[in-house]
Amino acid sequence: SQQGEEDPQALSIQEGENATMNCSYKTSINNLQWYRQNSGRGLVHLILIRSNEREKHSGRLRVTLDTSKKSSSLLITASRAADTASYFCATVPYPGYSTLTFGKGTMLLVSP
Amino acid sequence: DVKVTQSSRYLVKRTGEKVFLECVQDMDHENMFWYRQDPGLGLRLIYFSYDVKMKEKGDIPEGYSVSREKKERFSLILESASTNQTSMYLCATTFGRVSGNQPQHFGDGTRLSIL
Repeated sequence: SQQGEEDPQALSIQEGENATMNCSYKTSINNLQWYRQNSGRGLVHLILIRSNEREKHSGRLRVTLDTSKKSSSLLITASRAADTASYFCATVPYPGYSTLTFGKGTMLLVSP
Repeated sequence: DVKVTQSSRYLVKRTGEKVFLECVQDMDHENMFWYRQDPGLGLRLIYFSYDVKMKEKGDIPEGYSVSREKKERFSLILESASTNQTSMYLCATTFGRVSGNQPQHFGDGTRLSIL
């Protein structure tokens, strides 16, 4: 069953601009994870944020989590053409749960 | 770095054939997962395994089975392939017993076409 829903489905920006993607989910979570997938490749883990955290950073990536709104956002600052990929959020509902539930993804195109 | 290797990047089979997709990891991870990915549907979990010879059904196990005889290898089996099983298949692994708290490491996928 799909838990996370990314928004927008597709995003097109120019190099140097910031890209923001959102993820909404329906039930409470233990943690939320963001992944990137380049065309024709597997997914790569970006960031894990736990339910008691509000914000995490990794390089040019910033993830926020608002559990009251059941939503998360991924911000990529100063985008590069190499950031062109699909981005997925995935949720874990409670501690000890073994599997992730993925959303359908946001396709990001960064043009030079 | 964790390396997750899927035996084929592209595979073409015929309906009714028995198809084996292999996944091997080199990091001694306890948990292994098989997903399929389809346009507009995202990733859906087929089966996962948290130990040798152990398996759990995911969201869409029908038409599939799995085998884990060794810790490093997790096989997905299509018992009698059908055209609606044409898809991208992704294998993933995580470390530790409580795998939901860990990032998943993915292989590059097998794009399977059933004719």
